[in-house]
Amino acid sequence: GDSVTQMEGPVTLSEEAFLTINCTYTATGYPSLFWYVQYPGEGLQLLLKATKADDKGSNKGFEATYRKETTSFHLEKGSVQVSDSAVYFCALSDQYDYKLSFGAGTTVTVRA
Amino acid sequence: DTGVSQDPRHKITKRGQNVTFRCDPISEHNRLYWYRQTLGQGPEFLTYFQNEAQLEKSRLLSDRFSAERPKGSFSTLEIQRTEQGDSAMYLCASSFSDSPLHFGNGTRLTVT
Repeated sequence: GDSVTQMEGPVTLSEEAFLTINCTYTATGYPSLFWYVQYPGEGLQLLLKATKADDKGSNKGFEATYRKETTSFHLEKGSVQVSDSAVYFCALSDQYDYKLSFGAGTTVTVRA
Repeated sequence: DTGVSQDPRHKITKRGQNVTFRCDPISEHNRLYWYRQTLGQGPEFLTYFQNEAQLEKSRLLSDRFSAERPKGSFSTLEIQRTEQGDSAMYLCASSFSDSPLHFGNGTRLTVT
């Protein structure tokens, strides 16, 4: 079945550092890919998405490109802030019922 | 748009008791999903509804679990004869057709 594997954490960075979180997927068909973020004490929020190969999703300075050839959707941000401290989840949904399959999550801590 | 609302936020129960959780989706969202999340893991799909019809149930959903969505509005998730292994965060999400899922803040269940 469909599955997502993402880089294990935790990841600790200094403010203004470059962040990358690796995500690879296994799926049949043509899934849509997502990054969700969970800030401390809050629910899951959609960060960005891409629905087809070579699409780039972006939001709040984060970017991820749907790479079909490498089955990857790595998340990147060029200069992180303390407010980016959160748990980040990579997810995919199939093209039929749109239910999400999530990775295990990566905890990111940004220190001032 | 008031977001997805879940009640209660926390539930502590003794093993063997029954519990029921409620989810109020975003109005006009026709799809409603239940997920379970344990510590350090990503959310796992349990079941979903399109309007009032329950279209899929995960094999994770044992016979002790039942979900309903009468009239295609709010949904309830009931767990009968709770076990310690049921302790988790139960998440509800809703969407309109193929739009991204919007999640509630979850109900944290602790079975003692």
